[in-house]
Amino acid sequence: GENVEQHPSTLSVQEGDSAVIKCTYSDSASNYFPWYKQELGKRPQLIIDIRSNVGEKKDQRIAVTLNKTAKHFSLHITETQPEDSAVYFCAASKGSNYQLIWGAGTKLIIKP
Amino acid sequence: DAGVTQSPTHLIKTRGQHVTLRCSPISGHKSVSWYQQVLGQGPQFIFQYYEKEERGRGNFPDRFSARQFPNYSSELNVNALLLGDSALYLCASSGTPNSNQPQHFGDGTRLSIL
Repeated sequence: GENVEQHPSTLSVQEGDSAVIKCTYSDSASNYFPWYKQELGKRPQLIIDIRSNVGEKKDQRIAVTLNKTAKHFSLHITETQPEDSAVYFCAASKGSNYQLIWGAGTKLIIKP
Repeated sequence: DAGVTQSPTHLIKTRGQHVTLRCSPISGHKSVSWYQQVLGQGPQFIFQYYEKEERGRGNFPDRFSARQFPNYSSELNVNALLLGDSALYLCASSGTPNSNQPQHFGDGTRLSIL
C-alpha cells in the first residue's frame, strides 16, 4: 500500500527565514497531496493542496511543489512568522480509494 | 457557517468499557471520515461513510464500528476499550467520498483510557 515519508521531524528556523518540508510517496497512482497545519491541541487545518496535473502551487507565503517522476513533494514557507510554529503534515491519496495516507509530521519552530 | 463539530471534547474511560463518539459534518457535506491520532503521530484512517454506507475501512480491529445517519451525522463506536485506544479521534467531512477532495476536520474527541 501507499507509504508517505516526511522529513525532517523537527525544523527550527529564524523568524523571517524560509522553511522547507519534504515528503516522498510510494504509490505512483497517487494524485492528490494536501498539507495540514496542526497547532497544539487543535484540529488539523488544510493550508494548501496540489493535484498531480500541476507542478507548483502558491498561496501568499506558502507554496507546494510536486515532482511526479521522483515521487516527492515539498512545502515551502517564506518569511516565516511566530504564528507559523506548529506541526505540519503531508498526505497523499489516489482518489479512487478513500484513504488519506499521512506523513509522520514535522514540528516547525520559529525562533524570534 | 458551522464547521465540523464533534462531541464530547474529552472522555475518560476504563479498560473494557465502550464509547460512542459523535460528529456533525459541515452543512451540505455528505461524506464523513474518522481518524485516530496518537500523540506525536499523524492521523490514521479508521472509516469513511458516504450516503450512510461504509466506503472505506482502515486497519483497525472489529471493536471499532461506525454508522452514518440520514442527516449525515456519524457515530464512532469502540468496544472493549484497551489502553492503546487512548488518542485524539478526529472526524473530517467533505462534499464527496473521493479522498482527493479537501477534508475539513473537527476539533476531535480526546479519549483517555485508564
